Amino acid sequence: EPEVTQTPSHQVTQMGQEVILRCVPISNHLYFYWYRQILGQKVEFLVSFYNNEISEKSEIFDDQFSVERPDGSNFTLKIRSTKLEDSAMYFCASKKLASQETQYFGPGTRLLVL
Amino acid sequence: GESVGLHLPTLSVQEGDNSIINCAYSNSASDYFIWYKQESGKGPQFIIDIRSNMDKRQGQRVTVLLNKTVKHLSLQIAATQPGDSAVYFCAIGDNAGNMLTFGGGTRLMVKP
Repeated sequence: EPEVTQTPSHQVTQMGQEVILRCVPISNHLYFYWYRQILGQKVEFLVSFYNNEISEKSEIFDDQFSVERPDGSNFTLKIRSTKLEDSAMYFCASKKLASQETQYFGPGTRLLVL
Repeated sequence: GESVGLHLPTLSVQEGDNSIINCAYSNSASDYFIWYKQESGKGPQFIIDIRSNMDKRQGQRVTVLLNKTVKHLSLQIAATQPGDSAVYFCAIGDNAGNMLTFGGGTRLMVKP
């Protein structure tokens, strides 16, 4: 069964450094998402992406964040200058069709900012 | 905006019993509801979904009930097994399909 994959599984970085989190969505999916989950809290929406454009973004997704689909398979989340409060699990998700279709999640990248 | 709440943070059940996990939501215009299971260190795993034109949907050992009158969603797991131990999240899709709003999660613990 096709799955969303994410790399790395864990990332430790120094405050102020840039990080890039990578995702490979399910191959025939067209809609892509990033969510984050701070330890012990609920999953929070960051951004949705379709047709090489951001469709929606939350208040969390400020100017320090960006997303890109650099090729036909990868979908990346970049944090330009990490802050301590960026420490969280970051989940990528994808879905095939437009509205009201199930989003399938990857296993996540655990980001720790020191 | 949408807010989603969970009634209980932890639910402990005996193996073989049925489990019921509840979720309340605030936006009466919400149209798409999903239950996810999250095991430790893993991403949310889709369990079952339901649209607002239905009030019940069944899967394998799971049933989702939707009560739009009181804006309440529940997940029923029949014959709960140790492998069902996880955190369960309800989530609501915005009508544009752009985002999911998650509830706070209920931890299900299955006692052997």
